[in-house]
Amino acid sequence: DAGITQSPRYKITETGRQVTLMCHQTWSHSYMFWYRQDLGHGLRLIYYSAAADITDKGEVPDGYVVSRSKTENFPLTLESATRSQTSVYFCASSDRGRGELFFGEGSRLTVL
Amino acid sequence: AQSVTQLDSQVPVFEEAPVELRCNYSSSVSVYLFWYVQYPNQGLQLLLKYLSGSTLVKGINGFEAEFNKSQTSFHLRKPSVHISDTAEYFCAVSVTTQGGSEKLVFGKGTKLTVNP
Repeated sequence: DAGITQSPRYKITETGRQVTLMCHQTWSHSYMFWYRQDLGHGLRLIYYSAAADITDKGEVPDGYVVSRSKTENFPLTLESATRSQTSVYFCASSDRGRGELFFGEGSRLTVL
Repeated sequence: AQSVTQLDSQVPVFEEAPVELRCNYSSSVSVYLFWYVQYPNQGLQLLLKYLSGSTLVKGINGFEAEFNKSQTSFHLRKPSVHISDTAEYFCAVSVTTQGGSEKLVFGKGTKLTVNP
């Protein structure tokens, strides 16, 4: 089905482990984004990408790594997870940065 | 830097009552403004957007918003809410980076609870 999918939807890990959250979109949108959602903070931008092989930092990039070798995929990696990275992560895409973002259903990550 | 302030973190209302969710933005240049809705355990979806033209913007599910440049506001309104409107609502502004790419900056959200 067309759309934007995130995996896994739920993940529990331990401090210090590496975790990768996957995001795949079928629209060939040029822009993709990673946000985290925390109570009291709303959505905060972690990283975004304007096209394949072009990525840039958002508001809260520390502790995260992204790559975009293909237009349709935008994985987010936590190289050494910390408890402060416990959150709900949302991936989104857009045919241009301005305008309608299409969101995935979110990945709920718990770091113990 | 462009930013968005949602003035109410929670808004409880009774069914069929009118509601206004307030949003103020800060920007020194042309702005593009958005309202998104998040139902429980779901991602966000677009309610409406202001890019240019008429300052009164109509969206899905009977919502509308008015862009007020002098007051730097973009308040969301609905004349009569339903139980199904219970959700979290996010105001957002489009920001153009120095590199020319664009991204959305979101407010902290307003949780609307519609009671019977």
